[in-house]
Amino acid sequence: ETGVTQSPTHLIKTRGQQVTLRCSSQSGHNTVSWYQQALGQGPQFIFQYYREEENGRGNFPPRFSGLQFPNYSSELNVNALELDDSALYLCASSRQSRGSGETQYFGPGTRLLVL
Amino acid sequence: AQTVTQSQPEMSVQEAETVTLSCTYDTSESDYYLFWYKQPPSRQMILVIRQEAYKQQNATENRFSVNFQKAAKSFSLKISDSQLGDAAMYFCAYRSAMGGTSYGKLTFGQGTILTVHP
Repeated sequence: ETGVTQSPTHLIKTRGQQVTLRCSSQSGHNTVSWYQQALGQGPQFIFQYYREEENGRGNFPPRFSGLQFPNYSSELNVNALELDDSALYLCASSRQSRGSGETQYFGPGTRLLVL
Repeated sequence: AQTVTQSQPEMSVQEAETVTLSCTYDTSESDYYLFWYKQPPSRQMILVIRQEAYKQQNATENRFSVNFQKAAKSFSLKISDSQLGDAAMYFCAYRSAMGGTSYGKLTFGQGTILTVHP
C-alpha cells in the first residue's frame, strides 16, 4: 500500500454537473499527478502540480482543472460532465527534485460514473 | 510524441513457473525512465520495477527482472517463480527525463492481463 489516499471511492453524477475529486499525497512528496483510466485501458495523463502550480498537462480540455494546496494535497475538478468522463481517476504523488526521475506512487482511485 | 506498446493483451502462467511480458516504446529522446506497474482487481496501481535509460544494467527486484534493450526500444518484464498474488493487469510506462509542457507525464501501454494457474 502506498501512502496516497483518494476520496471519494465512487461517485455518480449526471451529464452537465461538476465534480471535485480529492487526493492526499504520500508523506515527503511535493508533486501530484492526475490520470484518467477508461475501462480496460491504460491511464492517460491529465496534469501535474508542483508547488501549487500546474507544470505539465496532457490532452485534456480546460474543463479539467486542478489545485494543489500548501500541504501538497490536490483536487481535480471537472466541469460540464460528459458521458465519456466516466472512468477511474488516479492520483499519483512523487518527490520532485532537479534531475531526478522521481517515481510516481498511485492512490486507489475514484470511480466516476456519469449518467 | 512517445508511444508505448504492449502486444500481449493476455498471458497465463502456471504457479512457480516463469513468464515474460513484452513492451516496446517509441521515442526520439536519449534520456528517459521506464516502469512496470501492476494493477490488481482492487485497482491500486503498484510499482513493480524501474529502469533508467542511461544505465546499462538491467533492474531487478526480487522475483522481477527486466530485459532492457535500448537500441531495440524494448523493455520486457520477467516474473520468476510466479505466485497466485502476481495475477493482475501489468502496465509498461515511459517517462521523459526532459522538461516541457508534458513534464511528469507517464505514458502507459494498453496493459497485459496476467493469469496465474495453481
